[in-house]
Amino acid sequence: GEDVEQSLFLSVREGDSSVINCTYTDSSSTYLYWYKQEPGAGLQLLTYIFSNMDMKQDQRLTVLLNKKDKHLSLRIADTQTGDSAIYFCAETPSSASKIIFGSGTRLSIRP
Amino acid sequence: DTGVSQNPRHKITKRGQNVTFRCDPISEHNRLYWYRQTLGQGPEFLTYFQNEAQLEKSRLLSDRFSAERPKGSFSTLEIQRTEQGDSAMYLCASMIGQGVVAFFGQGTRLTVV
Repeated sequence: GEDVEQSLFLSVREGDSSVINCTYTDSSSTYLYWYKQEPGAGLQLLTYIFSNMDMKQDQRLTVLLNKKDKHLSLRIADTQTGDSAIYFCAETPSSASKIIFGSGTRLSIRP
Repeated sequence: DTGVSQNPRHKITKRGQNVTFRCDPISEHNRLYWYRQTLGQGPEFLTYFQNEAQLEKSRLLSDRFSAERPKGSFSTLEIQRTEQGDSAMYLCASMIGQGVVAFFGQGTRLTVV
């Protein structure tokens, strides 16, 4: 089946690193994504990783993929107040062209 | 603006009325997706088009919902006989061909009273 699970909340101190975790069930997933959604806004793609990779880095963002455990994580270095948002993990199963989303992790930043 | 455009941004309707939303994808993007998002949840897939062909529909898409993309460009999503449970944000996204990235619009927020 197709399912993506995320923890609901994460609170970090400004300047620290944030790590948001996600697990998925479809072992044949081709692409995995992280989207960001700010209040009242649409979904903004942050980054994605192809399933044959295990890491991707883009400025403050690092994505780690563990295919064996079907685990994806997003690390945000030097977290800022502007990073406050809901972060969605998503996958594209190889059997379909749709994108399946998790329920989102709300990241809050404390001073 | 070359992004995905959705209209209207907000719609309030009485239960039992019909509503129609429009999505204009990014030019030359031949894939178009509709999603529904309720408070505290991630987007749920409803349907998608490859050009004018509707290739997949979710079981979430009841008989009251219909989507069209007649000329392979803009798309409409109609909900007939709206119910309070239809209140949600309806998101549209587009993607080019065999692309990887789906670009989302700002959504249409539907409130059924």
